[in-house]
Parts: sequence; C-alpha cells; structure tokens
Amino acid sequence: DAGITQSPRHKVTETGTPVTLRCHQTENHRYMYWYRQDPGHGLRLIHYSYGVKDTDKGEVSDGYSVSRSKTEDFLLTLESATSSQTSVYFCAIRRTGDHNSPLHFGNGTRLTVT
Amino acid sequence: KQEVTQIPAALSVPEGENLVLNCSFTDSAIYNLQWFRQDPGKGLTSLLLIQSSQREQTSGRLNASLDKSSGRSTLYIAASQPGDSATYLCAVPLGGQNFVFGPGTRLSVLP
Repeated sequence: DAGITQSPRHKVTETGTPVTLRCHQTENHRYMYWYRQDPGHGLRLIHYSYGVKDTDKGEVSDGYSVSRSKTEDFLLTLESATSSQTSVYFCAIRRTGDHNSPLHFGNGTRLTVT
Repeated sequence: KQEVTQIPAALSVPEGENLVLNCSFTDSAIYNLQWFRQDPGKGLTSLLLIQSSQREQTSGRLNASLDKSSGRSTLYIAASQPGDSATYLCAVPLGGQNFVFGPGTRLSVLP
C-alpha cells in the first residue's frame, strides 16, 4: 500500500448538498491529486496540489474546490452536488512533480448523488 | 493531442499462459509510461514505470517494454495466475501535472 487513506469509502447524498471527501497520506509526498473515474471517460484530473496551500485546476474542475492545510491531507469539496458528479473519486500522490516520479493511488470513494 | 488506447479491451486465458497486453499512444514525445492494475472496487496499483530512455523494465513475472518511435508499450505477464485477474491500465504524462490514461484491458485468468 502507498499509505493513502480515502474517506468515506462510500457516500450517498442528495442533489444540492455540500460534500467533502478526504485524502490522507503518510508518505510525506509533496504532490497530491484528485481524479474521477467514469465509464467511457476513464480517469480525469479534477485538481491537484503541489504543496501546503498550493493548488491548481485540472481538466474537470468546475463544481469542485480543494484545500490543503497540511502536507498529509487533501480535501475535495463539492459545493452543491449534482447527479453528474456521481462517480468514483480517487486520490493520488507523487513524491515530486518530476515526470519520472510514479503516481500512487488510494482505494477510492464511491459517491452517489440522488 | 495525446491519445492512449489499449487492445484488447478484454482477454480471457487459462492459467499458466504467457500473455501480452498492448498500449498505444499517438504522441511519441513522452517522458515515460506507467502500467497499473486495478482490482474491482479498488484503486490503481502501480506496477512498472518505464522511462523514455529505457527499453524494458522488469518486476517479478512482469516485463514492460517501450518503443517510443512506434508509439507502443507492451506488458508481458509470464505464467499467468488467477490472482493476475484485474484491469490493466497504462498512462503517460502530459505537460504540467496531468496524465492520459488508457481505457484498460480487463484480464481474466481461468483456473
């Protein structure tokens, strides 16, 4: 295991409610990422972080925000959940931003928005 | 625009067979290619990262090769076992911090 814990593992929520997913790592890696995985679309990057309080958008960032107040924690917030945000969300980490630094993934959070 | 494809989409083999999974990419200007496996309901487990300067990487029964000029990587699994059953994905880095992932090959190894 790459020392990545995602919580909760499963969540069902209603349209319009805020939702926060948590990623916790014990590897002290600098880079952290949030991906979503959907049939037909594969894995898509939502947001990433390159240090405490340093974050940037990915290709599907609309409707999501992130925060990183500690090296080990990266939070993903859906401000007002919509059915299109039903997905499996994965956190990933990398030791550095160097191209040859491998990605390691958590076990995911399955989110259902009803 | 970088596109990554994987053929076949699904593969079923009897236990003990040697097999090859394929990953193709359209832009040969890559830094590396990473292979993952994903078990149902789980995240992706990193298997091998092969850098652009390397031709092969090996880990146990797994061997990955990379041919940038032809835009191909292969993952060779020797003496397959039922525990190898999973979806195998490849990924290449884009500029910045994004990656392009292939759609995966779903492998079933039958006892």
